[in-house]
Amino acid sequence: KAGVTQTPRYLIKTRGQQVTLSCSPISGHRSVSWYQQTPGQGLQFLFEYFSETQRNKGNFPGRFSGRQFSNSRSEMNVSTLELGDSALYLCASSFNQPGQETQYFGPGTRLLVL
Amino acid sequence: ILNVEQSPQSLHVQEGDSTNFTCSFPSSNFYALHWYRWETAKSPEALFVMTLNGDEKKKGRISATLNTKEGYSYLYIKGSQPEDSATYLCAFSNSGYALNFGKGTSLLVTP
Repeated sequence: KAGVTQTPRYLIKTRGQQVTLSCSPISGHRSVSWYQQTPGQGLQFLFEYFSETQRNKGNFPGRFSGRQFSNSRSEMNVSTLELGDSALYLCASSFNQPGQETQYFGPGTRLLVL
Repeated sequence: ILNVEQSPQSLHVQEGDSTNFTCSFPSSNFYALHWYRWETAKSPEALFVMTLNGDEKKKGRISATLNTKEGYSYLYIKGSQPEDSATYLCAFSNSGYALNFGKGTSLLVTP
């Protein structure tokens, strides 16, 4: 069974630009969660999608948005990039309820904002 | 924001030593507690998901316990090996839909 995949793996952008990251979950998984990790911080929860609906959102500004498609693939978008958005972005998938089930993580997208 | 604390922040042990880490979380509205292992240049890998007070889980030389009433979980590694070197993360859920991660304990095991 293929694991969680994320594209691209690395990305360099400049301040003010926007970026879209993609996540393909494990086949059969309908829940996709997104996390941000910056130096010195733990994984910070961004949002979680299930069946194309956002069920939960973390404490991030509106510049961070996401969506999920009917095949459970998910994208997250960051508009008007700031230097502080430089981070590793991880997505994770699970069958239904990520809080109660094992989450399977992708390799991450490392974003550098110059 | 739910405060999940892990201690120690880092640990350096010799091969063969046994070690343990602590995860503290809010004791109210408990739903589940997760442990993950994150090796450098790899994805976080799930170790345990625990939902019941008093839960004890074991996977090889690694085991974990859970006390939801006082809000803590312990992760134990028996006879540490160099391949156990990684960051160990715990994550608390109070909703079923989101995980709140601690900053992790970085373990280095030297031969």
